[in-house]
Amino acid sequence: DAKTTQPNSMESNEEEPVHLPCNHSTISGTDYIHWYRQLPSQGPEYVIHGLTSNVNNRMASLAIAEDRKSSTLILHRATLRDAAVYYCILKPYSGAGSYQLTFGKGTKLSVIP
Amino acid sequence: EPEVTQTPSHQVTQMGQEVILRCVPISNHLYFYWYRQILGQKVEFLVSFYNNEISEKSEIFDDQFSVERPDGSNFTLKIRSTKLEDSAMYFCASSEAPRVGNQPQHFGDGTRLSIL
Repeated sequence: DAKTTQPNSMESNEEEPVHLPCNHSTISGTDYIHWYRQLPSQGPEYVIHGLTSNVNNRMASLAIAEDRKSSTLILHRATLRDAAVYYCILKPYSGAGSYQLTFGKGTKLSVIP
Repeated sequence: EPEVTQTPSHQVTQMGQEVILRCVPISNHLYFYWYRQILGQKVEFLVSFYNNEISEKSEIFDDQFSVERPDGSNFTLKIRSTKLEDSAMYFCASSEAPRVGNQPQHFGDGTRLSIL
């Protein structure tokens, strides 16, 4: 899988928006951008994914740069429950045949009350 | 919301013993996965399973490991002769057939395996 780069850690105040960046300069045209998070003592949890257009769901928004070399996960209003490690993962179009997720170190988000 | 369940939550085993970790994937999912996470390290892929056979495995998944879907609901990971370095959190995941659109994987909360 193509490599992603994320800051090791970030802090946010509760009820403030959070923008978590991810660089993926070697992304290929058929790679999807996935975000997962892992709360303390839990398994990874799917957050959102996209290909080219910005995406919204009930958990977050995903903003994808026009050249697709970077993306930003947006939590509109951080809560204490959003404190977790956030992983940005590139996944090839399913026809490539590899379905495993390759986790990096992610960004550890701390939310300050 | 349907979820992946794993049992037991914590397993303590003597080195050299066999251990079986159990998972119940989401009922309409067709792909199943095992990952592990050694304390303080990254989540690592072990194996994926589809249509009653392994579709992909990592270098970690050697001859000591095996997976099985013994019935229509359970998915198991067996470690034949455990080593100290097998101590980790083991996560099961499942997904719908990853056709166009890359279906997300849904994870259980893991089994903590401690080898003594």
